[in-house]
Amino acid sequence: SQTIHQWPATLVQPVGSPLSLECTVEGTSNPNLYWYRQAAGRGLQLLFYSVGIGQISSEVPQNLSASRPQDRQFILSSKKLLLSDSGFYLCAWSVRGIHGYTFGSGTRLTVV
Amino acid sequence: GENVEQHPSTLSVQEGDSAVIKCTYSDSASNYFPWYKQELGKRPQLIIDIRSNVGEKKDQRIAVTLNKTAKHFSLHITETQPEDSAVYFCAATISGNTPLVFGKGTRLSVIA
Repeated sequence: SQTIHQWPATLVQPVGSPLSLECTVEGTSNPNLYWYRQAAGRGLQLLFYSVGIGQISSEVPQNLSASRPQDRQFILSSKKLLLSDSGFYLCAWSVRGIHGYTFGSGTRLTVV
Repeated sequence: GENVEQHPSTLSVQEGDSAVIKCTYSDSASNYFPWYKQELGKRPQLIIDIRSNVGEKKDQRIAVTLNKTAKHFSLHITETQPEDSAVYFCAATISGNTPLVFGKGTRLSVIA
């Protein structure tokens, strides 16, 4: 069966420090991959999505970036974190061409 | 692009009563409409979905209706229970490779 792994679960980082969040999917090939951010008590904001290796679409211009070095690996990065980057980051995957997401367990990031 | 509006933002019901959450979408080409439930601190999970060739779908106490002409769809929960308390998100998309566009969420509280 397919599973999605996301880590770390929680992270406290100082302003100006770098960030790297990783997401991997098992049990499937060629998934569509997504990064969402959820501020406290708010909705789901799409940050990036990818339909293949090296193919990244950015929805919101900001100091975050994403990469997909392998088919089932999706990485969210930042060179310098801002206070406003705090939130709950969710990775998700879907079968290409078929709807329906499965979300990872999320990373709660607090920038201090 | 697609825009999804969700109402109400908060909803309180007595245990055993019904709850209805409504969403409207802007793009008439959208053809897939899922609903996600997110418990506090957890990941969103798919609870039911409907495609544009179907007007209604039911799964035990949960049902979703779709009105393509009016471009709106609704989630109906009957015989609510305290464990139904969560944030519910509707979403819409055009194709399997286009990201879901989410509503802003409805916080449902079921009062025992």
